[in-house]
Amino acid sequence: ETGVTQSPTHLIKTRGQQVTLRCSSQSGHNTVSWYQQALGQGPQFIFQYYREEENGRGNFPPRFSGLQFPNYSSELNVNALELDDSALYLCASSLGIPGQGMDYGYTFGSGTRLTVV
Amino acid sequence: SQQGEEDPQALSIQEGENATMNCSYKTSINNLQWYRQNSGRGLVHLILIRSNEREKHSGRLRVTLDTSKKSSSLLITASRAADTASYFCATDARVRFGAGTRLTVKP
Repeated sequence: ETGVTQSPTHLIKTRGQQVTLRCSSQSGHNTVSWYQQALGQGPQFIFQYYREEENGRGNFPPRFSGLQFPNYSSELNVNALELDDSALYLCASSLGIPGQGMDYGYTFGSGTRLTVV
Repeated sequence: SQQGEEDPQALSIQEGENATMNCSYKTSINNLQWYRQNSGRGLVHLILIRSNEREKHSGRLRVTLDTSKKSSSLLITASRAADTASYFCATDARVRFGAGTRLTVKP
């Protein structure tokens, strides 16, 4: 059984550029969530996907967008990068139906460290 | 908000001592989960306790849940230097996190 794989592990981008981060869910998991974690802070919820549909979004602007593919892998896209977007981006997958009392924990990837200069 | 809030923000103990951290939340829940994060890495799921459970054990971990007070505690017994990490609680299916408890275990 494979875990959650995120790529790339590190990335440096210039302000104003666009970035795509990728996440391969754990085998059999149909739900994926993305988080942004600034240094010294807890992970902040960006959005969640369940079976390719967005199922909830945190307090992030529309320039943060995502996709979930039929194999349940996922992408996080960020347009018009700002310096404050520098953070660790975490992907987490799970099995369950959101809102119906999921009894499973989330499996997290090791994250992508994004630096915007 | 279904976000969990951890307390204290930081905790420093000696190896061998027990560490207790608390979590409070605001809404009704189906379950509560505890996670550990080593510096700069992804979170690792430690334990899940359901709303109809009051206590759960896993190795050196003991979790309690009081739904009437909307609170949970995580006890790590006989701590080790390797337990040094940040600990987070999260509730419900969407798994929101607070700022965490930063635990330092000194050898």
